[in-house]
Amino acid sequence: DQQVKQNSPSLSVQEGRISILNCDYTNSMFDYFLWYKKYPAEGPTFLISISSIKDKNEDGRFTVFLNKSAKHLSLHIVPSQPGDSAVYFCAASATSGTYKYIFGTGTRLKVLA
Amino acid sequence: DTGVSQDPRHKITKRGQNVTFRCDPISEHNRLYWYRQTLGQGPEFLTYFQNEAQLEKSRLLSDRFSAERPKGSFSTLEIQRTEQGDSAMYLCASSLGTGGGYGYTFGSGTRLTVV
Repeated sequence: DQQVKQNSPSLSVQEGRISILNCDYTNSMFDYFLWYKKYPAEGPTFLISISSIKDKNEDGRFTVFLNKSAKHLSLHIVPSQPGDSAVYFCAASATSGTYKYIFGTGTRLKVLA
Repeated sequence: DTGVSQDPRHKITKRGQNVTFRCDPISEHNRLYWYRQTLGQGPEFLTYFQNEAQLEKSRLLSDRFSAERPKGSFSTLEIQRTEQGDSAMYLCASSLGTGGGYGYTFGSGTRLTVV
C-alpha cells in the first residue's frame, strides 16, 4: 500500500515562474513531513519540513503547505531556477512510532532557462 | 564532520555472491536507517537502529539480508546469495533525537548491480 503518493512523475516550469509539487498521504497518524531533493548519483538532501501543528513553513524560495483535512501537502518554489532541476520526494512520519519516514515516488522537476 | 559516508559507491557482483556495504553516520547521531531505492521509486525503508539496537525491520528485508551496528557506530548491511532483484541503490541515513520530528541526513548511497 502506497501511504505517500506523488501523482505527478514530472513537471516542467519556466525559469522565474512558480513550481508547485504535490503530495498526498493516507495515514492519519503521520504528523511530520519532509521534502527532499535528489540529484542523479547522489543521496537525497533535506529541503524543508513541516509539523502537523502548522499549515505553512517557509525557507527562502521554498514554502511547504499542509492541509491536514485533505491529507495533502505541497511544495512551492518561487522563483524557480535551473539549479532546482532535480527529483523531489515528500516523506511522512508518525512521531509516535520508530520515526521512520515513508517516501513518495518522487516528481522530476525541470526548470527551463 | 563529513556527513554520512557509504562504501563502496558502486558494486557489481555475480548472482549468488555475498556482498557487504558499510555506512558511517554523522558521529553524534544515535539513529541509523537503511533504505533501498529502485528506478522510478522513492526510498523504501529496510531497517532502523537506535544506537546499537535494531528496532525495526521491513518485510522487504528477507532472510538473506542482515544489518548490524556494533557499538552504535558504523553499520554494515550484508546480502547473501544475491539475486538480480537485489539490484538497487542502497541508502544509509542518520539522525539525532530521542523523539520524532527530526529529518535524516542521507549518504550518497551504494549502487548494487547483480549480473
